[in-house]
Amino acid sequence: DAGVTQSPTHLIKTRGQQVTLRCSPKSGHDTVSWYQQALGQGPQFIFQYYEEEERQRGNFPDRFSGHQFPNYSSELNVNALLLGDSALYLCASSSTRLGVTGELFFGEGSRLTVL
Amino acid sequence: GDSVTQMEGPVTLSEEACLTINCTYTATGYPSLFWYVQYPGEGLQLLLKATKADDKGSNKGFEATYRKETTSFHLEKGSVQVSDSAVYFCALRRNTGFQKLVFGTGTRLLVSP
Repeated sequence: DAGVTQSPTHLIKTRGQQVTLRCSPKSGHDTVSWYQQALGQGPQFIFQYYEEEERQRGNFPDRFSGHQFPNYSSELNVNALLLGDSALYLCASSSTRLGVTGELFFGEGSRLTVL
Repeated sequence: GDSVTQMEGPVTLSEEACLTINCTYTATGYPSLFWYVQYPGEGLQLLLKATKADDKGSNKGFEATYRKETTSFHLEKGSVQVSDSAVYFCALRRNTGFQKLVFGTGTRLLVSP
């Protein structure tokens, strides 16, 4: 049973560019959340997707957007990249069938470097 | 808003030493509490959790007790191993609404032989 898979694992962009990160949730999971982990910091919640809708959002600008597909996979898009967007982006999946206490499973992350 | 405060690291220990990593939280109501571990180059793994006051979470020799009176969830292990070297994150999640996790800044543990 594959866990949460993310791609790409590493990427380098320049300021002003756009990036798309991808996530496939654990089998049987229908909810995907994205977190940003800056170097030396704890992960910060970006947003969560369920039934192809964004249902909660953290304190991130509109440059950060997402999408969830019918197969529950998800994309995170960041436009007009800034140096401060350099971070590890983590995807986490969970199942609504398990309710609010269901465990979140994390992928290994996509490390974005903005030059 | 909700927040988690962890002791700053790094924590440097010799193998078989005792470990305590302090964690306190601020939240409305009674959240669930978690410890996650991040090994070098990897994502987050759930280490243990507690969902209500006085619950004790345990896994792989690690323990933490949910203390409502002190709003704390300290991580302990009686005898650490070199393989325990990692970054440990304390986190909370409200038990209503959506499953957003609020993390502390992490504590790096370095265990030497």
